[in-house]
Amino acid sequence: LAKTTQPISMDSYEGQEVNITCSHNNIATNDYITWYQQFPSQGPRFIIQGYKTKVTNEVASLFIPADRKSSTLSLPRVSLSDTAVYYCLVGGGGFKTIFGAGTRLFVKA
Amino acid sequence: NAGVTQTPKFQVLKTGQSMTLQCAQDMNHEYMSWYRQDPGMGLRLIHYSVGAGITDQGEVPNGYNVSRSTTEDFPLRLLSAAPSQTSVYFCASRDGQGIATNEKLFFGSGTQLSVL
Repeated sequence: LAKTTQPISMDSYEGQEVNITCSHNNIATNDYITWYQQFPSQGPRFIIQGYKTKVTNEVASLFIPADRKSSTLSLPRVSLSDTAVYYCLVGGGGFKTIFGAGTRLFVKA
Repeated sequence: NAGVTQTPKFQVLKTGQSMTLQCAQDMNHEYMSWYRQDPGMGLRLIHYSVGAGITDQGEVPNGYNVSRSTTEDFPLRLLSAAPSQTSVYFCASRDGQGIATNEKLFFGSGTQLSVL
């Protein structure tokens, strides 16, 4: 599992677009990039996954540059309910998927 | 769809007591795992299983036992509870064998355990 670096915390206001960048300089050729979201008192849930360029679903977009050494999770027009911890994982992790500290996003009214 | 179901949601134990946290999944996933999460921290892997009859240790296995007799169930046993085991415990299953890099984890809602 490639090592990842992401900001510890971010603040935003309702209605703004939030971009969380994850650095993964030693990503392997066959590694996918996966993001999870964890609300307080709940287990993490998968939100988006990508390999290259751009992926979009009903929750978020994921931007991956050509060198794949970083990725950016984009949340359009956040609301208070988007307050959560966001985890970036690269590669499957083999049998031992390890989560880092993630990014704590706090959305204010 | 039930997904991953954990019971109980809350539990209070006294030091030295034993108990079993239950986890069941209905997605026919071979891979299941247990994590613990302490306040303000990330998840730490306790044990995992890649199929019935096969289990292995994660990052923090001491004080915990697991077994996997069926594909659906993966219980976590605390043999002699200690205050250091106060935490939130999450069970997860995975839609793959741990080989492909695009596999996804599916988590239960957690068990909040307090050991006094």
